[in-house]
Formats: sequence, structure tokens, C-alpha cells
Amino acid sequence: QVQLQESGPGLVKPSQTLSLTCTVSGGSVSSGAYYWTWIRQHPGRGLEWIGYIYFSGSTYYNPSLQSRLTMSVDTSKNQFSLRLNSVTAADTAVYYCAREPRSRYYMDVWGKGTTVTVSS
Amino acid sequence: DIRMTQSPSSLSASVGDRVTITCRASQSIRNYLVWYQQKPGKAPKLLIFAASTLQDGVPSRFSGSGSGTDFTLTISSLQPEDFATYYCQHSDGPPRTFGQGTKVEIK
Repeated sequence: QVQLQESGPGLVKPSQTLSLTCTVSGGSVSSGAYYWTWIRQHPGRGLEWIGYIYFSGSTYYNPSLQSRLTMSVDTSKNQFSLRLNSVTAADTAVYYCAREPRSRYYMDVWGKGTTVTVSS
Repeated sequence: DIRMTQSPSSLSASVGDRVTITCRASQSIRNYLVWYQQKPGKAPKLLIFAASTLQDGVPSRFSGSGSGTDFTLTISSLQPEDFATYYCQHSDGPPRTFGQGTKVEIK
């Protein structure tokens, strides 16, 4: 079955760029059937939807992060990625990637999550 | 953005109890409401979508109801593996937003 795995640095300095990748196995990021999504969870807190990308490269970003956020998809590596620039301590969180089937409106497959700490 | 408000924020219950969690949207979201379960250190798990449709493999003691702005998640007979935090999420357009979560603890 489809599995997602996040990867990236666990520690990022303030004002720098947070870069994460989600590798898709058992399925294809090129499938037109899914949106590829990022969600984060601040320590001890609830879930925040970051945005999603489609295989064509079209995106929808959370307006609260839009000015600092870029998502991309690499079909050759079967991966999709997130870049968040000008990070602060408020960006410290567990970051999850997930799959949302188009026209289904839920996230049915999630990665295990990766912890990112913003600190000098 | 649509605001999702869950209540209660936490509850204590015993095995076998019937548990109900509510979720209210700041505007009508029709039936575009999803419920997830999250255990400590784990990713959320999809329980219910379209307000009342059980995801494959989810026990039938879980049920969802509601439409418009008011929704409920019910666990008919709480089991030890159900102690977790539950989140609602709307999917009536982006951006998706989540409720703040309801932690179900052992009494």
C-alpha cells in the first residue's frame, strides 16, 4: 500500500529556510487522483493545514503562510517538497505529509511526521 | 477562513461508556466534515469522512452525524484503544482547518 515518508533537517536556524521532502512509495506522485498535502502540529497543540500540491504543480497554500511558502513536486524521484523561508521559533512543529484523494475531501494516508526545531 | 470549534477540550470516561464529541463550524460546510484520531507520537488516523461515512477498517462503535454547522462524533462503547485525541476538520474548500482537538482520557 501507499506509504509516505518525510525527511529533512531537524534543526533550522531562525531566519533561514526550512526544507522538507516527502517520498511516496507504493504509489505515484504523478497520479492525477490525489493532492499531496503538508500539515504541521506545534508542540502540544492542534493541527494546522499548510497546503497542497497537485502533480501538475498547481498549489493551494494556507493564506497565513503563503508569503513564505513554496511547494514543488519531483515526479522523477516520486517526491514532493516544502520550503518555508524566514522561519522563527513559531515554525517549530512536527511536519506531516499526507495524501488527499481528489473529490474525496479527506486525508487518508499520512507520513509518520518529522520534528523540526527552529533555534540558534 | 472557516473556524472549527470542538467541545469539550477534554473528557474523562471509563471503558464501556458512550462518548460524544461535538464540532461546530463558523459557517455552513454542508457535510464536508472529517474526523481523525491521534495517539501520542503518531500521525492522525482517518476515522470518518463526509460527516458520517466510516473509513474502511474503523470499528462500527464509531459514528458521525450532522450537517451544516453542527456535527458529532460518538463512540458507543469506549474501548481501551480509543483513548486518544480526536480532531474534526472541514473540507469545504481550501484552506482546510481543524478543530482544536478533544482528548479522551481514562477515568
